[in-house]
This record gives sequence, structure tokens and C-alpha cells, in this order.
Amino acid sequence: GAGVSQTPSNKVTEKGKYVELRCDPISGHTALYWYRQSLGQGPEFLIYFQGTGAADDSGLPNDRFFAVRPEGSVSTLKIQRTERGDSAVYLCASSLGQADQDTQYFGPGTRLTVL
Amino acid sequence: QKEVEQNSGPLSVPEGAIASLNCTYSDRGSQSFFWYRQYSGKSPELIMFIYSNGDKEDGRFTAQLNKASQYVSLLIRDSQPSDSATYLCAVNYINTGKLIFGQGTTLQVKP
Repeated sequence: GAGVSQTPSNKVTEKGKYVELRCDPISGHTALYWYRQSLGQGPEFLIYFQGTGAADDSGLPNDRFFAVRPEGSVSTLKIQRTERGDSAVYLCASSLGQADQDTQYFGPGTRLTVL
Repeated sequence: QKEVEQNSGPLSVPEGAIASLNCTYSDRGSQSFFWYRQYSGKSPELIMFIYSNGDKEDGRFTAQLNKASQYVSLLIRDSQPSDSATYLCAVNYINTGKLIFGQGTTLQVKP
């Protein structure tokens, strides 16, 4: 079956611009996660949705970052006033949303470059 | 601060050897443990998960968990050049969704 999909695969923007990154989870997965990965590092948690609501947004670095999942499926990560330090690969993952022993499956990522 | 530690490597092994990858974690509340493989320029791919103390085997891969020592490892038997990648250890805490990742260990399998 289809895995997690993310668009765009690459995004180049200028400092100060607004960007939106999209994630389409595996069908039937109620939980959706956003991570950010910098070169040479492991993924860093940003936010986690269970259904339509953000269950944990403790990883969002500041108020320039915001994410939504209005219908409990597709999610959009929004970054305002982008900075060069926002350049990274943004990964989305989804899971069945079980309380225990839940497994996350990752999408291909969006590589964001802020010039 | 919950932390997951891995040696960044590179770990170099000859083809056919056993590769041993190690990971330690700081929080005893850790519930679930995952190993992901990541090829250069690609996203993480799940290899194995383990929840209980002891060993869990899946083909050439064995995950080992010791909660008392806060230690989880991954053994790769009969290593192949195609196993060359970065291996990420990730930990999930009870009643939370997020994974905490280590920085990854780069494995090089030489023909």
C-alpha cells in the first residue's frame, strides 16, 4: 500500500518568507508526527497529532512554527518569517496511534533551504 | 532532559562479519525502543522494535534490550555492503507519542 507522502520534496526560499510543507499519512493512521533533521544528527521531534488535535507540540522551536491537521488526515507544517537556521530536512511520520507499542513510519522528507 | 546516546562512528566491519551497534538512554521511564536504518539522502526506515528485556531476532538482525543498564543494541550478522548506512536508535516514553533519537552510528561494510 501507499506509504507516507510529503510535498514538496525540495523547497528553496529566501529569508523572511513563509513556507508550507505538506504530509499525507498512511491510510488509517490516526497519529501523525513532524520531525526536523539537520545534517549529521538524528531527527528532532517537533509536534504530534492524534486525530485533528495536537497532542504534543513541545518540540516546536518558537512561534514562527505552526502545524495543522484539520480533518485528521493531511497535515501542513507552516513556517513564518523563515531564517537560515530553519534549513533542514523536515520529516513526517504516521502510526496507528496505539497507546503502547506503536510504530512510526516515515515519509521521504522535504528538504528546506533558506537562503 | 531525556537523552539517547550513540557513537557516531564510523564503524567499519568486513563483509560477512557481525556488526554491533550500541545505544544508551537516560530515562528509566522509556517504554519502547526502535532501530531505524537511514541511507544517505533518504528517510529513516524501520528495522526492528523491542519492548521487553532480552533478545529479539528477525533474520540477520538481533535487537538486545537491558532496561537495568539502560542499554539497547543491534547486531547484524553476515554483514553485507548493502548494510552500509546510518543506524538510528530511538526511544519512546510511556503515554507519549514522540520518539527521541540518537545521532546515529554510521556503519561501513567493506567487501
